[in-house]
Amino acid sequence: RKEVEQDPGPFNVPEGATVAFNCTYSNSASQSFFWYRQDCRKEPKLLMSVYSSGNEDGRFTAQLNRASQYISLLIRDSKLSDSATYLCAAETRGSYIPTFGRGTSLIVHP
Amino acid sequence: GAGVSQSPSNKVTEKGKDVELRCDPISGHTALYWYRQRLGQGLEFLIYFQGNSAPDKSGLPSDRFSAERTGESVSTLTIQRTQQEDSAVYLCASSLAKVQGRTNEKLFFGSGTQLSVL
Repeated sequence: RKEVEQDPGPFNVPEGATVAFNCTYSNSASQSFFWYRQDCRKEPKLLMSVYSSGNEDGRFTAQLNRASQYISLLIRDSKLSDSATYLCAAETRGSYIPTFGRGTSLIVHP
Repeated sequence: GAGVSQSPSNKVTEKGKDVELRCDPISGHTALYWYRQRLGQGLEFLIYFQGNSAPDKSGLPSDRFSAERTGESVSTLTIQRTQQEDSAVYLCASSLAKVQGRTNEKLFFGSGTQLSVL
């Protein structure tokens, strides 16, 4: 079983829709979590860190569920420019090395 | 520049040749990472440097792969006797030092080196 798993999608949604992705992690010692965005043929860029209490940045909300070992990303009012691959990453205590999922592809259409 | 710089951006080589990939991290970033991304796949961890030492080389796929870092700055990833399965984008990332109590440091990625082995 992979350490970090994501549904590769693609998720195909109309503009204005709300879409949510989940990412499960297998190592219960994971303590730091991140969502990165990767555009086609570009490098990943941090979208947001995921905090225990959950956090929001504009239209984006990240949540952590330690009991079920998953993190989620909610995107409200989707824009065409949100089309990208969303990678989640988890880092275990003391390792300092983020392990990435394979990414979830989002396509927002007019 | 202000970001992570990688060179070359593209490298085409013949099977069996050696290649060297270079990464210039953001100034002051003591943590440096190499990842590999095959087409349509996620990021595969290769090696992590803290300063000039590599506490974790567990991701290097074979002894054909090696990496070094000097002056807590530039890093080179060397692949000897390249094989077709080495074809991928090699991504370098850097971050501020990750120490206990400060683990939420984000990674800044370079734009990668696209390696094609013919």
